[in-house]
Amino acid sequence: GEDVEQSLFLSVREGDSSVINCTYTDSSSTYLYWYKQEPGAGLQLLTYIFSNMDMKQDQRLTVLLNKKDKHLSLRIADTQTGDSAIYFCAERGTDSWGKLQFGAGTQVVVTP
Amino acid sequence: SAVISQKPSRDICQRGTSLTIQCQVDSQVTMMFWYRQQPGQSLTLIATANQGSEATYESGFVIDKFPISRPNLTFSTLTVSNMSPEDSSIYLCSVRKVNEQFFGPGTRLTVL
Repeated sequence: GEDVEQSLFLSVREGDSSVINCTYTDSSSTYLYWYKQEPGAGLQLLTYIFSNMDMKQDQRLTVLLNKKDKHLSLRIADTQTGDSAIYFCAERGTDSWGKLQFGAGTQVVVTP
Repeated sequence: SAVISQKPSRDICQRGTSLTIQCQVDSQVTMMFWYRQQPGQSLTLIATANQGSEATYESGFVIDKFPISRPNLTFSTLTVSNMSPEDSSIYLCSVRKVNEQFFGPGTRLTVL
């Protein structure tokens, strides 16, 4: 199967910007997703981007996609303590079900 | 969006028993998925469950161990059969609506 890779840990100070990076290998991916998982909870869909776009902004969130390098990033502006969570990126393949392939998740810790 | 509920939210079970997890969605959806998240790990797709057809299982998962029902467009069940401690995980139901994919809160299963 295809691999999605993320760095495992990110520490950021409250008020700073966070940037979470992800690389994927399936060049035919149609959509790429970012999810947030807080302790003991399910996955919350934060945002997604279609593969023919290179940027998408939604309030404090900015997604950048470099399709040539198969690199996806999520920037969180003005990071708050409530942003502490695990963030997963996922690529949607072109199989008949469009299955999602997830990265291992990046644990983001926001410090005061 | 989609609001997904799962029952039970958590359970502690004895080895050799079975547990059925229910997933209810607030609107009709064609595609439903069942995922497993082992402790500290990412998500692994167990199967795709579309209404009116047999579930499609991923490599490493079999129907005898994880039977799935999909009786209508808003409901599905996943049974974890003949459980062992290795089945201790969070089991998540997921649905796709157009290009967005949403997750339920998960069922946290501990097998003793």
